[in-house]
Amino acid sequence: SQQGEEDPQALSIQEGENATMNCSYKTSINNLQWYRQNSGRGLVHLILIRSNEREKHSGRLRVTLDTSKKSSSLLITASRAADTASYFCATEGAGSYQLTFGKGTKLSVIP
Amino acid sequence: SQTIHQWPATLVQPVGSPLSLECTVEGTSNPNLYWYRQAAGRGLQLLFYSVGIGQISSEVPQNLSASRPQDRQFILSSKKLLLSDSGFYLCAWSPTGVGGYEQYFGPGTRLTVT
Repeated sequence: SQQGEEDPQALSIQEGENATMNCSYKTSINNLQWYRQNSGRGLVHLILIRSNEREKHSGRLRVTLDTSKKSSSLLITASRAADTASYFCATEGAGSYQLTFGKGTKLSVIP
Repeated sequence: SQTIHQWPATLVQPVGSPLSLECTVEGTSNPNLYWYRQAAGRGLQLLFYSVGIGQISSEVPQNLSASRPQDRQFILSSKKLLLSDSGFYLCAWSPTGVGGYEQYFGPGTRLTVT
């Protein structure tokens, strides 16, 4: 079963605006990861946040994690047309080799 | 640097035919290897993972099987394809060890069963 659930399912914004995507999960985790997938391609890892971290930055990406609410958010600032893609959160349970992926948020950035 | 290869990129097969998809990784040793399937507009479903040669764990009962004949080779197979096997198949690897690592994905194989 899929643990992570992204919200919204689809998001359309103008270039230059910020995009925020949310992820909720159900059980305790070791870490949470965000991936990007361009249409018809493989996934690309964006950022990993561990359960004892609350916030992490990478370039224009900012990820937060609230383990008490079992939720995470991905913020992309100053979006570009090249950011158009689907974004997935994935959770890893303690002592697990596996990632459990959500269904993703489809982001469209309009030039 | 590490590289992951998958082939073929696309495949159209009739119902009842066999399947063999191959994944190879370069530039690392003893990786954890994964096979996922992605249905149209959906997230990824983990099918199999392997932590070493000959060690395969299956996540869902299905018409597929996996094998790891060499350290950096992972093969997905079926003896008889079903229509429901259509989808986008992704191979991934992560560094050896239990958890805490990102996964690196191949370019995927688009399988259409007709």
